[in-house]
Amino acid sequence: AQSVSQHNHHVILSEAASLELGCNYSYGGTVNLFWYVQYPGQHLQLLLKYFSGDPLVKGIKGFEAEFIKSKFSFNLRKPSVQWSDTAEYFCAVISNTGGFKTIFGAGTRLFVKA
Amino acid sequence: EPEVTQTPSHQVTQMGQEVILRCVPISNHLYFYWYRQILGQKVEFLVSFYNNEISEKSEIFDDQFSVERPDGSNFTLKIRSTKLEDSAMYFCASRGQASNYGYTFGSGTRLTVV
Repeated sequence: AQSVSQHNHHVILSEAASLELGCNYSYGGTVNLFWYVQYPGQHLQLLLKYFSGDPLVKGIKGFEAEFIKSKFSFNLRKPSVQWSDTAEYFCAVISNTGGFKTIFGAGTRLFVKA
Repeated sequence: EPEVTQTPSHQVTQMGQEVILRCVPISNHLYFYWYRQILGQKVEFLVSFYNNEISEKSEIFDDQFSVERPDGSNFTLKIRSTKLEDSAMYFCASRGQASNYGYTFGSGTRLTVV
């Protein structure tokens, strides 16, 4: 079965620091990959997605992610974080089974110190 | 931008009672989903629904759960006899038929079973 692994459960950064959150997926075929963000008390919002083409994907709020097929990775990056980026970040993949469900990683809680 | 609407935003119910969580997906979407997130845990897939039938369900989605699309606009999740461990945030999502598999999530219903 497909799975998604996020390496860091908690990350604490100071404002202006660079961010990289790791994500690995298990499936070796065609994948559709996502990063979602969940601000405290709010619902999931899509940050960015990858289906095909340029493996460097740019999303909202200055986030980007790089799809590296050989490493089964889709790491999220941001050059300079802000206090408002404090949230939980979920990597996800669309299942290749019928119904096209989304499989989420366990999430990474990011806390940015002002 | 079109939204997925969920009601109520918060529901408190007594153990053993039936609850119905309501969702209005985006009007031209064809695939519908329910996910849940127990506090502090990852987002888990419950069920997917397409063409008026369940296309996939998880182990969590046992006989106590059911889904319906009663009138072509609402998409409901019913829990027949709630248990304490059903306390969670429940997210509805919908997806169009376009090949980019884009999901839109609702803002969630927080269910508290006491």
